[in-house]
Amino acid sequence: AQKVTQAQTEISVVEKEDVTLDCVYETRDTTYYLFWYKQPPSGELVFLIRRNSFDEQNEISGRYSWNFQKSTSSFNFTITASQVVDSAVYFCALSEAHAAGGTSYGKLTFGQGTILTVHP
Amino acid sequence: SAVISQKPSRDICQRGTSLTIQCQVDSQVTMMFWYRQQPGQSLTLIATANQGSEATYESGFVIDKFPISRPNLTFSTLTVSNMSPEDSSIYLCSVVGAGSYEQYFGPGTRLTVT
Repeated sequence: AQKVTQAQTEISVVEKEDVTLDCVYETRDTTYYLFWYKQPPSGELVFLIRRNSFDEQNEISGRYSWNFQKSTSSFNFTITASQVVDSAVYFCALSEAHAAGGTSYGKLTFGQGTILTVHP
Repeated sequence: SAVISQKPSRDICQRGTSLTIQCQVDSQVTMMFWYRQQPGQSLTLIATANQGSEATYESGFVIDKFPISRPNLTFSTLTVSNMSPEDSSIYLCSVVGAGSYEQYFGPGTRLTVT
């Protein structure tokens, strides 16, 4: 069975600080996808990134960066120079990557989420 | 990315009644899913909406309580039946596009049962 753990329930920082959100996962599959989503107070779920289990390159997108380490089953998310608008709940999720039509295709297992509050 | 709409965006319902939530996508997608997010909690998958056939439900969810339809590749409905206050949640549909593992979510339906 798959499992995603986000050990940090809440994080509070002051604007311009860097912050890292941790994500640790468990799966018996060798092929899988990892995701990060942002849920602002409005409630919608905003897609941030998808990472293939075969691609361990770190990725940077503006102030966001992701560190994928297969050896430790972690997929951490760093926000550099945080802003008030970054305040949200962030979810890490895992999906098995079977072929379309398989019983597990596309199903997401979510972590419990990390509430990030950025103070001005 | 696909543009997903849900109706209604929110509703307040009486105990014992039913509510049908609609999910419309602007393009044909491979997979459609329904998730529930209870207050202050994470998301839990309810079922996979299968086009032209019965939905596939996750453990703890049953068709009598959450009937789902998907008549075509761009539309699905979820009904929350015989509601109780415990059903108060955000219900979200999600889609996976053809040839893609990226999964996008609708804006959600915020349901309150009194």
